[in-house]
Amino acid sequence: GAGVSQSPSNKVTEKGKDVELRCDPISGHTALYWYRQSLGQGLEFLIYFQGNSAPDKSGLPSDRFSAERTGGSVSTLTIQRTQQEDSAVYLCASSLATTAYGYTFGSGTRLTVV
Amino acid sequence: DQQVKQNSPSLSVQEGRISILNCDYTNSMFDYFLWYKKYPAEGPTFLISISSIKDKNEDGRFTVFLNKSAKHLSLHIVPSQPGDSAVYFCAARAGNNRKLIWGLGTSLAVNP
Repeated sequence: GAGVSQSPSNKVTEKGKDVELRCDPISGHTALYWYRQSLGQGLEFLIYFQGNSAPDKSGLPSDRFSAERTGGSVSTLTIQRTQQEDSAVYLCASSLATTAYGYTFGSGTRLTVV
Repeated sequence: DQQVKQNSPSLSVQEGRISILNCDYTNSMFDYFLWYKKYPAEGPTFLISISSIKDKNEDGRFTVFLNKSAKHLSLHIVPSQPGDSAVYFCAARAGNNRKLIWGLGTSLAVNP
């Protein structure tokens, strides 16, 4: 597709359940990022993938969070044993590795943990 | 500790006038700055950027000014249009680190 695609667009889950969020980056973009935005907060970096390099996981808030990127394209962000504080909009973005410009974001997945 | 600060949560201007959105930063290692615009229920979209070797970058109605000594940048929109109503985020990065540090955003309302 022409843009970054994220699914689902909305997810309501019960506390303690696991969730998987999916991101399809723009074709040819080697860099992929996950951010989240909690209510009233700015965007918080979670994880960054660049080609075949080891991902930068420095932003993952706890070991309940993990992400993978298969075949250098699609990425999934997994949250295990969800907590209410995990409720946020999870945004995925991609970019060309060499770009001096910004990334292209998807529309996000709104996660609500009840 | 907020390294990128947008101290005005909201701004309201009249159509046709200038909108000035401000951003301050604390990390002197930041050398590239970006502005993004975000409409409700959409992801942020890249608007304009500036490298620390410049003090001004212009793209149509949008101009970003950088004052390195003051660690301050601003986005000017002239003339403002109702379609510019959105949340504007300032973001910064340091060197080759592609992770962006974001401000909390300023909600701009342009009134017809």
